[in-house]
Amino acid sequence: SAVISQKPSRDICQRGTSLTIQCQVDSQVTMMFWYRQQPGQSLTLIATANQGSEATYESGFVIDKFPISRPNLTFSTLTVSNMSPEDSSIYLCSVGDGSSYNEQFFGPGTRLTVL
Amino acid sequence: RKEVEQDPGPFNVPEGATVAFNCTYSNSASQSFFWYRQDCRKEPKLLMSVYSSGNEDGRFTAQLNRASQYISLLIRDSKLSDSATYLCVVNMVSGGYNKLIFGAGTRLAVHP
Repeated sequence: SAVISQKPSRDICQRGTSLTIQCQVDSQVTMMFWYRQQPGQSLTLIATANQGSEATYESGFVIDKFPISRPNLTFSTLTVSNMSPEDSSIYLCSVGDGSSYNEQFFGPGTRLTVL
Repeated sequence: RKEVEQDPGPFNVPEGATVAFNCTYSNSASQSFFWYRQDCRKEPKLLMSVYSSGNEDGRFTAQLNRASQYISLLIRDSKLSDSATYLCVVNMVSGGYNKLIFGAGTRLAVHP
């Protein structure tokens, strides 16, 4: 499977600021996704990052709060904008093989704490 | 009703025990199914994809019952290293896109 890296691995931020998280894959992939895992919870899909077009957001997530870029088939960014303590979470990117079976593989995650 | 429901756990078992996790899903149109393993403070890792006929990988056996919308994972001869949270995951097509729906996870603790 692809090797996926994320930067930063963790950060502590002040409320009202924004953080951009990078996801880099060592090979071209069709599908990239962004998830959030809040403390003690399971994973929730934020959006599907589409190469060359706008991301597709899940219910409860909006582009103004979580803008996503996908400039090519190996890279994506997620920005958490105007942060509040409720945004403290782990943010994970994943990649899929694009098949109908849709196995996904995850990056190591970014642990965000908002003060 | 949650889209994917799992036994809440935690399951505390001795080494060598056999343990089974159950999972139900609500959307009968779901097409593919997975078990992921997540260690503390780590990302989820794909443990097994679950095929219609059921499949086995060493000590791990996954089964699918589409009629009952039920998935199971059996771990035989538990090892200390099996201690982790096991996530039941279901793939759905929504709005023309594939997406994964995660269960809340079942925590397993294997003790000596």
